[in-house]
Amino acid sequence: QKEVEQNSGPLSVPEGAIASLNCTYSDRGSQSFFWYRQYSGKSPELIMSIYSNGDKEDGRFTAQLNKASQYVSLLIRDSQPSDSATYLCAVNPMDSSYKLIFGSGTRLLVRP
Amino acid sequence: KAGVTQTPRYLIKTRGQQVTLSCSPISGHRSVSWYQQTPGQGLQFLFEYFSETQRNKGNFPGRFSGRQFSNSRSEMNVSTLELGDSALYLCASSGGTTSGSGTQYFGPGTRLLVL
Repeated sequence: QKEVEQNSGPLSVPEGAIASLNCTYSDRGSQSFFWYRQYSGKSPELIMSIYSNGDKEDGRFTAQLNKASQYVSLLIRDSQPSDSATYLCAVNPMDSSYKLIFGSGTRLLVRP
Repeated sequence: KAGVTQTPRYLIKTRGQQVTLSCSPISGHRSVSWYQQTPGQGLQFLFEYFSETQRNKGNFPGRFSGRQFSNSRSEMNVSTLELGDSALYLCASSGGTTSGSGTQYFGPGTRLLVL
């Protein structure tokens, strides 16, 4: 079992729709969770961090964390073609807060 | 505030050579982490440095090494290059504490091609 799992996609949504990206993790003791966006040929860019159960909103982005289910998600409201990218879920494992374990990423395609 | 800088941005080397990559973190950040990104393996952690000390190392062979200087700048070195070392090497900067690295911000990366 991979430590951080994401559906590779592509997830295709029409412009203006809500995109829902999901991530599960295996280390129950993980404490910090991050979403990064990576455009083709570019480096990852931090979108959101979340540490507590529940929702965290920042503009059009909402991160949701459920530690009991070992599940973290990212919702993108009013999706725009410029949101088309690969979204990476990253987790600080319990045995080391000095590194991030990344999922393989979900490719999002927003259709105009 | 200036972001994370990495040099060089692109490198072409041949098998058996060695390479040194450089990373300058965000001003005031003391933790530098290195990652390797390949299409097949995704983003994988190499090592993390804080105040010139390596605190954690990923599952990579000893050919991969690094160091951090007193100004928090970091270098990583790969000796005896193999074709499979072709990848995007990413440096991430964070404030860092004695108990963790904190939120990490990535530099633009160095794209290494080994022929």
